[in-house]
Amino acid sequence: QVHLVQSGAEVKKPGSSVKVSCKPSGGSFTSYSFNWVRQAPGQGLEWMGRIVPIFGVTNYAPQFQGRVTITADKSTTTAYMELTSLRSEDTAIYYCARGLGTEADSWGQGTLVTVSS
Amino acid sequence: EIVLTQSPATVTLSPGERATLSCRASQSVGTYLAWHQQKPGQAPRLLIYEASNRATGVPARFSGSGSGTDFTLTISSLEPEDFAIYFCHQRSSWPWTFGQGTKVEIK
Repeated sequence: QVHLVQSGAEVKKPGSSVKVSCKPSGGSFTSYSFNWVRQAPGQGLEWMGRIVPIFGVTNYAPQFQGRVTITADKSTTTAYMELTSLRSEDTAIYYCARGLGTEADSWGQGTLVTVSS
Repeated sequence: EIVLTQSPATVTLSPGERATLSCRASQSVGTYLAWHQQKPGQAPRLLIYEASNRATGVPARFSGSGSGTDFTLTISSLEPEDFAIYFCHQRSSWPWTFGQGTKVEIK
């Protein structure tokens, strides 16, 4: 079973940016999509976007377009999600999920991002 | 955007009972529909992909059915560890979306 290891919790000021990393413990890196999904406290799941490293193709949810950038470093087999212009409503757990919704689906442990002045 | 509507929001059942969870899509998603289980303080876990395929290691008491706009997740006989929140998810068209979840709680 592939494990996805995410970077640690972050506390950010409104207006700043955060960058979260996600590294799989094994398996292919380039063949699968890496998705980012967030969950605000007590709320449901919200898909933010994805990257397919082998093609470098990205897709973003409209509500995050312009504020989120998802990248993948093939040399270190690490995926990243950067969110800018943070506001309090961005306080959430951010999950990375490989191959979301497919047979290869695997989730990271989540990264808590707290936005507070 | 495809909206996924799950029902009921909460279902209260006893261990050993059958659970039937519904997910309805605002337009056809074919069979690109998955079900995830989430327990408190944990990341979601895939149960069913492509509407009816059990993920590796998922017990046979979990089954999925449906296509197009109407989908069902059935838990044939609830075990104590099955009390959790269940989310459906579509990857048929952009942006991918999730349902709001169904909580299965113990009676």
